[in-house]
Amino acid sequence: QKEVEQDPGPLSVPEGAIVSLNCTYSNSAFQYFMWYRQYSRKGPELLMYTYSSGNKEDGRFTAQVDKSSKYISLFIRDSQPSDSATYLCAMKDAGGTSYGKLTFGQGTILTVHP
Amino acid sequence: SAVISQKPSRDICQRGTSLTIQCQVDSQVTMMFWYRQQPGQSLTLIATANQGSEATYESGFVIDKFPISRPNLTFSTLTVSNMSPEDSSIYLCSVDTDAYNEQFFGPGTRLTVL
Repeated sequence: QKEVEQDPGPLSVPEGAIVSLNCTYSNSAFQYFMWYRQYSRKGPELLMYTYSSGNKEDGRFTAQVDKSSKYISLFIRDSQPSDSATYLCAMKDAGGTSYGKLTFGQGTILTVHP
Repeated sequence: SAVISQKPSRDICQRGTSLTIQCQVDSQVTMMFWYRQQPGQSLTLIATANQGSEATYESGFVIDKFPISRPNLTFSTLTVSNMSPEDSSIYLCSVDTDAYNEQFFGPGTRLTVL
């Protein structure tokens, strides 16, 4: 079993839809949770960063973390064709020998069509 | 945030040769990382490179194959040695910002080995 599970999709939605992307994880030591967006032939771009459980909102994006269920989500409101990309969840623990190491999900390919 | 550049952006190499990838950051950072992203796959950590100490390699990656240098707080190199077609991947460097624990990625180096 992988430490981080993410449905690879692909996910196709119409413009304006609300998109929900999810990851589950098994390592209870993970404390920091990130969502990256990666366009084709580009490096990952940090979208959202949260620490521990709770919600964080930034414009059209909302990140949720539920540590009790080991479940994180990214919601995209009013999705746009420019949101079409691969979305990667990533997480890391707070210290120890693996300090700083990110463990990634498989990535979800999202297409928003006009 | 941090601005990260990588050289070369892409290369096509012959089997058995070596390639050195450079990573430059616009600010001083303690922790730098090298990841590999194989075609259609997510990111896998190769090693952690901290200035003033030997790089720490993840399981499945060895120094003889992927030697790393970290001469100062803004620069690192990764060498892919004795290349085979299985080394064809995107190689990415990233940095962990000391203050906020966010991790940012460079644009990647796309390597094709013939």
